Amino acid sequence: GQQVMQIPQYQHVQEGEDFTTYCNSSTTLSNIQWYKQRPGGHPVFLIQLVKSGEVKKQKRLTFQFGEAKKNSSLHITATQTTDVGTYFCVLRGGYQKVTFGTGTKLQVIP
Amino acid sequence: KAGVTQTPRYLIKTRGQQVTLSCSPISGHRSVSWYQQTPGQGLQFLFEYFSETQRNKGNFPGRFSGRQFSNSRSEMNVSTLELGDSALYLCASSGDTSTGELFFGEGSRLTVL
Repeated sequence: GQQVMQIPQYQHVQEGEDFTTYCNSSTTLSNIQWYKQRPGGHPVFLIQLVKSGEVKKQKRLTFQFGEAKKNSSLHITATQTTDVGTYFCVLRGGYQKVTFGTGTKLQVIP
Repeated sequence: KAGVTQTPRYLIKTRGQQVTLSCSPISGHRSVSWYQQTPGQGLQFLFEYFSETQRNKGNFPGRFSGRQFSNSRSEMNVSTLELGDSALYLCASSGDTSTGELFFGEGSRLTVL
């Protein structure tokens, strides 16, 4: 089945620094979704990417879908303490099983 | 409108027992999926139901089962509980079975002693 690896597994940054997490798939993806899970909370949808090379921005968050549709990234500019949580990429399309990436746990040091 | 509701939120069971968890999706959503979250294995897909039919199933033993009712509410059951079944069980609903956003509930935290 499809495997989705995320790197890094953990990231500690000083508040104000940038943060990037990468999602890599062993197969070509039809689309990819990103979710954020705050400590003690549940995953919350952030965005969906569908097109090859697609770039979408949400305030300080920038999401990219690779040209080959095998990888994706999430970049946060000038992190804030509210960005703390685990970020997951998720494969979901057609009748495929939902596959969560391994997740990147972000800790922001004030 | 109301979000996804999962009950119970917390429960403690002993090995060998069985447990039933409930999930009420967002009104109008017909797809319900279940996930197991553990520190070691991360978030793993259990199964997805749409209009009372199981559409997809993850790689879990037959002790894990589920069903969906005509009102889209779903239940999952774990029989003969093992210590390793201790986890946060999350339910998500979606208005689109293919590529739509997943709306998660708060989860049911199961502890097996």
